[in-house]
Parts: sequence; structure tokens; C-alpha cells
Amino acid sequence: GQNIDQPTEMTATEGAIVQINCTYQTSGFNGLFWYQQHAGEAPTFLSYNVLDGLEEKGRFSSFLSRSKGYSYLLLKELQMKDSASYLCAVNTGFQKLVFGTGTRLLVSP
Amino acid sequence: DVKVTQSSRYLVKRTGEKVFLECVQDMDHENMFWYRQDPGLGLRLIYFSYDVKMKEKGDIPEGYSVSREKKERFSLILESASTNQTSMYLCASSPRDSYNEQFFGPGTRLTVL
Repeated sequence: GQNIDQPTEMTATEGAIVQINCTYQTSGFNGLFWYQQHAGEAPTFLSYNVLDGLEEKGRFSSFLSRSKGYSYLLLKELQMKDSASYLCAVNTGFQKLVFGTGTRLLVSP
Repeated sequence: DVKVTQSSRYLVKRTGEKVFLECVQDMDHENMFWYRQDPGLGLRLIYFSYDVKMKEKGDIPEGYSVSREKKERFSLILESASTNQTSMYLCASSPRDSYNEQFFGPGTRLTVL
């Protein structure tokens, strides 16, 4: 079976740092994606990890440990516009993505 | 600027109707996907296509079919709509290689009465 777990909701304060965790158990693994989705809009790509380690892209970083089936998305210097849902998705092969249910992040002033 | 468009943002249909959802991409992508998104369940893959006239079942294909006659267009068909198919439907496309991100359309919110 395919199982991807991430917290349902998180809250944080503007300017702070937040870490959104994702654990997975899938039949195949060919990389892990993080997407951002604002309410009523399409998901947009944030990051991709296929090897263990940290990938940094501006205020956003993503980490992967394949042996632990674990990833996290780190958001620094939070802004109000970062209030959105964050979707973890595993490529199980041939671009078949299995998504977690998403983490809704609320950033308050 | 990459673009995936879907034929309608909102659609209301009656039980038993045949429903067509259209998706067009202008990026010359080989791969196209149809997902549905429901609260508490996340995005789930319905069907996908690697090339023209090719289709593969995703995780929840029951009650749906697809058509890909041209590279840029991927249609999702609900042969006989049912109330449990009320959902947000998202189309996506990507280049052939597996490490590439998928680009999503704005979605169609379908309500079946």
C-alpha cells in the first residue's frame, strides 16, 4: 500500500521558522516533491529531492532521508503570503505521484 | 509562461449525465494527468497519459474514462455522473523525464446533483 503522512494544520508567526514533516511508505520511490497550494488555486512546485540531504532554495529548504522514509520542508522568515497548504508527494515511478493530504499553514502577524 | 488550462472553473451537472472535462497545455509536454482533490483525502490520481492515444489507470479510475487524441489535449469523461463524483478536478502536465515537476491547471469544481 501507499501511505504518506503529514500534519493536518500548523500555525506560526510572521518572521518565524516552521518545519513541515512528511513520512512515507510507498511501493516505489523515485523522488519526493513539495507543492504549495493557496486556497482556490492550483498547486505550484516548490522543491524536489531524490538523494538524501538538504536542498535550499531561498527561504525554502527541503530535506530527505530515504532510509527513514522522511522529508521535511523548512520555511524561514515567514510572511503572511506563506499561509497556504503544503503538499508532500512521492513519485512512485513513471511520474505517478502519490500525495499526502496536505498541511494547512496559517501565518499570523 | 507555462500554461495548463481547463475548460470550466465551475460545473453543475445532474446524476446520470455524461460529463466532459477538458484540459489543454501549451508546453508540448508528453505526460498529462487527471486528479481529483477532496478534503481530508488529498489529490488522488485518476488517469494519466504518456503520449497521444496512450492512457494508464491511476489509483481511482472507476467511473471515469479519458481521451487523448492530440498531444496538447487530455479529456476526462464521466460516463454517468454520480453524486460521489462531486469534487475538484485538477489536470497537470509534465515533460517526459521522471524528475520533472508537474504543472497544474486551475481546477474545475464539479457538483453533481
